[in-house]
Amino acid sequence: TQLLEQSPQFLSIQEGENLTVYCNSSSVFSSLQWYRQEPGEGPVLLVTVVTGGEVKKLKRLTFQFGDARKDSSLHITAAQPGDTGLYLCAGANYGQNFVFGPGTRLSVLP
Amino acid sequence: NAGVTQTPKFQVLKTGQSMTLQCAQDMNHEYMSWYRQDPGMGLRLIHYSVGAGITDQGEVPNGYNVSRSTTEDFPLRLLSAAPSQTSVYFCASLGGAEQYFGPGTRLTVT
Repeated sequence: TQLLEQSPQFLSIQEGENLTVYCNSSSVFSSLQWYRQEPGEGPVLLVTVVTGGEVKKLKRLTFQFGDARKDSSLHITAAQPGDTGLYLCAGANYGQNFVFGPGTRLSVLP
Repeated sequence: NAGVTQTPKFQVLKTGQSMTLQCAQDMNHEYMSWYRQDPGMGLRLIHYSVGAGITDQGEVPNGYNVSRSTTEDFPLRLLSAAPSQTSVYFCASLGGAEQYFGPGTRLTVT
């Protein structure tokens, strides 16, 4: 069974601070996705990374896929209250099924 | 384009009752799936379907049945609800590499 771990589990920061959250596994994934989920809603896809070492930027969010395709990080620059939510990573292994991590719950205080 | 829709939004059942969670998508996606989300455990795959007439089990299929008679609809049936099935249920469809999630059904079994 492939497992994904995420750290930290909870994170509370002030507006304007930078932060990094991590997604780790002992398994190799063909691709990895990051989602943000807000209370009472379903997860929304932020990015998909497929190549080891790949870095993708989405405005203030920077996503990196580890060289060995076992881990990933999400870095947010100058966090804003609108970034508050549950951040989930999900890995795929050459198929259509995804394994999800437990999530990092981020709170950005104004 | 409504995307992925789920009904009901909330449901309370007594142990032993049965019910069907509805899911529909209007994006003509072949692949659809059901997840349950529990605190600290991320999303776990219950059942999935790669097209009409084809379904398969995910990570946690016990206590749940599915069918896929059309491309659009993918209902999830609980035949005899148990308190362990208290959770938030999400339906998703896959278009390319992107999963689109419904808004979820919050189910409580007493």
